Amino acid sequence: KQEVTQIPAALSVPEGENLVLNCSFTDSAIYNLQWFRQDPGKGLTSLLLIQSSQREQTSGRLNASLDKSSGRSTLYIAASQPGDSATYLCAVTPFYNQGGKLIFGQGTELSVKP
Amino acid sequence: NAGVTQTPKFQVLKTGQSMTLQCAQDMNHNSMYWYRQDPGMGLRLIYYSASEGTTDKGEVPNGYNVSRLNKREFSLRLESAAPSQTSVYFCASAVLSRRLNQPQHFGDGTRLSIL
Repeated sequence: KQEVTQIPAALSVPEGENLVLNCSFTDSAIYNLQWFRQDPGKGLTSLLLIQSSQREQTSGRLNASLDKSSGRSTLYIAASQPGDSATYLCAVTPFYNQGGKLIFGQGTELSVKP
Repeated sequence: NAGVTQTPKFQVLKTGQSMTLQCAQDMNHNSMYWYRQDPGMGLRLIYYSASEGTTDKGEVPNGYNVSRLNKREFSLRLESAAPSQTSVYFCASAVLSRRLNQPQHFGDGTRLSIL
């Protein structure tokens, strides 16, 4: 059974720091891995989607990498800002599923202090 | 550009009452999903509909039913609410392609409390 883990559960950093969020998954048979952002009381916003054949994706100050063989992904945030404070979730689409279902990690709650 | 719209946003029920959560998307997506989010548990899939006219169980389907009313709408029904169903419910939609390379889009959630 596919399991997705995110460590740490919470992270607090000063503004301007570069940081890395970690995601690990137990089964390397995946179609893709997605990173989402969730603000308090809101739904999830897709940040980056990495196909299983890709190694990384970039969007602005965000860079996500994927090492499928080791079951790991990282989300790198450059020059963090207070507006980056949110919960970040990763999710995988298992290879065997037909409906595009996602299996989520529990998230990392990020706080960027001014 | 509404995206995924969920109604209601908040609801309080008594144990044993029934309720339907509504979800509609205006992005012409073919697949739709219902998740629940509980503290420390992440999001878990309840039911999904890969295309109009089909529905399938997810990880935690017990106590729920769904209806894919048309391409735009996907409802979730609690027939006899239980306190264990207190949660935040999210609806999502996506273009389901063969390459599975499209992200899911989420609504803002329904916060449901069962007393």
